Amino acid sequence: DAKTTQPTSMDCAEGRAANLPCNHSTISGNEYVYWYRQIHSQGPQYIIHGLKNNETNEMASLIITEDRKSSTLILPHATLRDTAVYYCIVRVVGVTGGGNKLTFGTGTQLKVEL
Amino acid sequence: DAGITQSPRYKITETGRQVTLMCHQTWSHSYMFWYRQDLGHGLRLIYYSAAADITDKGEVPDGYVVSRSKTENFPLTLESATRSQTSVYFCASSLTESGSPLHFGNGTRLTVT
Repeated sequence: DAKTTQPTSMDCAEGRAANLPCNHSTISGNEYVYWYRQIHSQGPQYIIHGLKNNETNEMASLIITEDRKSSTLILPHATLRDTAVYYCIVRVVGVTGGGNKLTFGTGTQLKVEL
Repeated sequence: DAGITQSPRYKITETGRQVTLMCHQTWSHSYMFWYRQDLGHGLRLIYYSAAADITDKGEVPDGYVVSRSKTENFPLTLESATRSQTSVYFCASSLTESGSPLHFGNGTRLTVT
């Protein structure tokens, strides 16, 4: 799986959009971009994933650049409860033999403040 | 929606003891995973299972044993616990191999004294 690079930490004011970047310059054509977050003392929570088109769900939006070498997770109106570590992961989909494994990096600590 | 549950939530054991961490999911997901989380290492995969009676090693399997006699359960056993196995352990499951997201339990915090 391709390696990802994320900033160690970011701050965001409550009510503002939080834009979390991720660099995955070695991503290959069959690798998806996944985002998870982990709130303190809880298990990681799935947020969103995409291949090359932008994606949106009730939690967030995912913007993937045209060359797919980077992406941005957008939380449109951050709240205090969005304070968490956010993980960007790329992985191959549709292969056998453990293709569903996820390799987590150290993520971005997002702190949402009043 | 019970989802995926882990037990116990906290466990303290002594070096050399055997301890089993339990994981149960109610979705009938095919895939199940065990991760450990340590400061400075993030989440590391210990073992995973593609279906009942099918298991395979992850990144850090040494010192651990798993079994999967039923689809819904995936226990993790430390046969002779060591202090280096002090960690937070997360179990996860996913529906298929073809890109479905992983759903995690809330973890077991294990301390080996």
